[in-house]
Amino acid sequence: GENVEQHPSTLSVQEGDSAVIKCTYSDSASNYFPWYKQELGKGPQLIIDIRSNVGEKKDQRIAVTLNKTAKHFSLHITETQPEDSAVYFCAAILNDMRFGAGTRLTVKP
Amino acid sequence: KAGVTQTPRYLIKTRGQQVTLSCSPISGHRSVSWYQQTPGQGLQFLFEYFSETQRNKGNFPGRFSGRQFSNSRSEMNVSTLELGDSALYLCASSAGTSVRQETQYFGPGTRLLVL
Repeated sequence: GENVEQHPSTLSVQEGDSAVIKCTYSDSASNYFPWYKQELGKGPQLIIDIRSNVGEKKDQRIAVTLNKTAKHFSLHITETQPEDSAVYFCAAILNDMRFGAGTRLTVKP
Repeated sequence: KAGVTQTPRYLIKTRGQQVTLSCSPISGHRSVSWYQQTPGQGLQFLFEYFSETQRNKGNFPGRFSGRQFSNSRSEMNVSTLELGDSALYLCASSAGTSVRQETQYFGPGTRLLVL
């Protein structure tokens, strides 16, 4: 089955800096890669996603890049704000959705 | 549109008991998936339903079961509870026929504590 690895497990940045979270997946047949943000006491919330026929997608301060050859995809958050502090999960979908272990992002004001 | 709702939000049970959790998907969504979230194992797929049929099942013992009703609402049941079943159980719905097709939207989860 699909295996997703996510790095780093924790990330601390200063407000205004950029944050990058990276994920790798094992099955080249996976074709859909969503990113979720989970705040304390809440369920995961989709923030951006990318499909395998696209290399990059951007939505305001958030962007995702996908390298199918290398089987990795990354989340980029620019101009970070304290409210970006949360746990971020990547996922890869083949027959079901497999999640990375999560990255706890802390943005210091 | 109202989001995915899950009831109850919190639950305390003792070992050996059974529990039923409920999920109401976003209006118009017919696909429902369930996940278990624990600090040690992270987010793990339990099962997926579409049109009252289980489409896919994760690697969990038979004590974990689920069903979906004709109105797309879903329930999951855990029998003979073990301490390790303590977790946040998340339900997600999507407009497509499977997790492979459409974005999944998560509910707030039911936090289960087994004593």
